[in-house]
Amino acid sequence: EVQLVQSGAEVKKPGESLKISCKGSGYSFTTYWIGWVRQMPGKGLEWMGIIHPGDSDTRYSPSFQGQVTMSADKSINTAYLQLINLKASDTAIYYCARQSGGLGVWGQGTTVTVSS
Amino acid sequence: EIVLTQSPGTLSLSPGERATLSCRASQSISSNYLVWYQQKPGQAPRLLIYDVSSRATGIPDRFSGSGSGTDFTLTISRLEPEDFAVYFCQHYGGSVWTFGQGTKVEI
Repeated sequence: EVQLVQSGAEVKKPGESLKISCKGSGYSFTTYWIGWVRQMPGKGLEWMGIIHPGDSDTRYSPSFQGQVTMSADKSINTAYLQLINLKASDTAIYYCARQSGGLGVWGQGTTVTVSS
Repeated sequence: EIVLTQSPGTLSLSPGERATLSCRASQSISSNYLVWYQQKPGQAPRLLIYDVSSRATGIPDRFSGSGSGTDFTLTISRLEPEDFAVYFCQHYGGSVWTFGQGTKVEI
């Protein structure tokens, strides 16, 4: 079964950093791009960027450029999203998803709460 | 960056009715890189339609996509109770991908 499993929920304070993981299984991890999507509470989907685990080629949305870092470790089939200098407005669910004619396989989402 | 505008914001219908959802792009979308997702409360989005009109694996044939250029449509021919959800369109390809703001289909 093709799966993406994300790390668990996080509660952070403003100014802290965070790294979310997304582990793929059931397919060749280096073949497909992995996208990251943010969903703020009660809001729509925002495309953050995409990374190719095979060569770590990365494309960022201008809205998130400089605010996040995407990386991948192909030896353990895992992609990462790092958020730095967290603010309350970073409170959201973050999804990873496999790109293949659209984002066809999604992780379960990681809920991030930023609160003092 | 292509901006996608979905309409209407909310669609109030009954089971068995036909739903027509619109997604308009700020500029022409090349190579048919337009997809549709369904999202239910508390769940991750699910891919319904890719490349404008191709149904993803396991998607019932009551869902269909159409359109070209800047105007795209998702049609649900006969609404089932499980179809009441939020639907998003997305353009992918190039350096920046974007989502529409979503259409809620409610009873």
